[in-house]
Amino acid sequence: NAGVMQNPRHLVRRRGQEARLRCSPMKGHSHVYWYRQLPEEGLKFMVYLQKENIIDESGMPKERFSAEFPKEGPSILRIQQVVRGDSAAYFCASSPPGLGNQPQHFGDGTRLSIL
Amino acid sequence: AQTVTQSQPEMSVQEAETVTLSCTYDTSESDYYLFWYKQPPSRQMILVIRQEAYKQQNATENRFSVNFQKAAKSFSLKISDSQLGDAAMYFCAYRPLGATNKLIFGTGTLLAVQP
Repeated sequence: NAGVMQNPRHLVRRRGQEARLRCSPMKGHSHVYWYRQLPEEGLKFMVYLQKENIIDESGMPKERFSAEFPKEGPSILRIQQVVRGDSAAYFCASSPPGLGNQPQHFGDGTRLSIL
Repeated sequence: AQTVTQSQPEMSVQEAETVTLSCTYDTSESDYYLFWYKQPPSRQMILVIRQEAYKQQNATENRFSVNFQKAAKSFSLKISDSQLGDAAMYFCAYRPLGATNKLIFGTGTLLAVQP
């Protein structure tokens, strides 16, 4: 059973470009979470999605960031007009449907570097 | 707001010895979940152990065990018979019950294992 798959592993963008990060959850998982880890810091929650629905986006910056989890295909975290401060590791996690005692399984992360 | 505090930025242990990593949290909820995640240099996030707050019995997973003190809001991780492969950053995390399943992470403790 494949784990959570994130791609790309590393992404380099110039300031002002767009960054698209992809996450395929584990088989049978319908809940997806995105976290951001700035250098030397812990992970910070960004957004929680279920299929075709955003459940909690309280950690998402109001501008330039968006996330989706379509009925078919991976979850996408999109950052428009990237700035240097967006450089971070972005982790996706997934969990199966059901009550909240299911642990979240993490992908290996996408390291975003802004030149 | 819920917060998680890890007061030890770095710890060191001799191989085969025991080490305890501290974690405290702040919440007004009575039911929630607590986790320890390990992040080795490869930067994967690996679930080490989890605890349900309604369970009085401390969770154990092989060489890893927790000391959960609900009244004191303390959740320490004990690693017995430390191995070189245990060297990593360790994050304590809290997850509330309810509509959002987001994890709230501490800032991490970097564990070094000396041969």
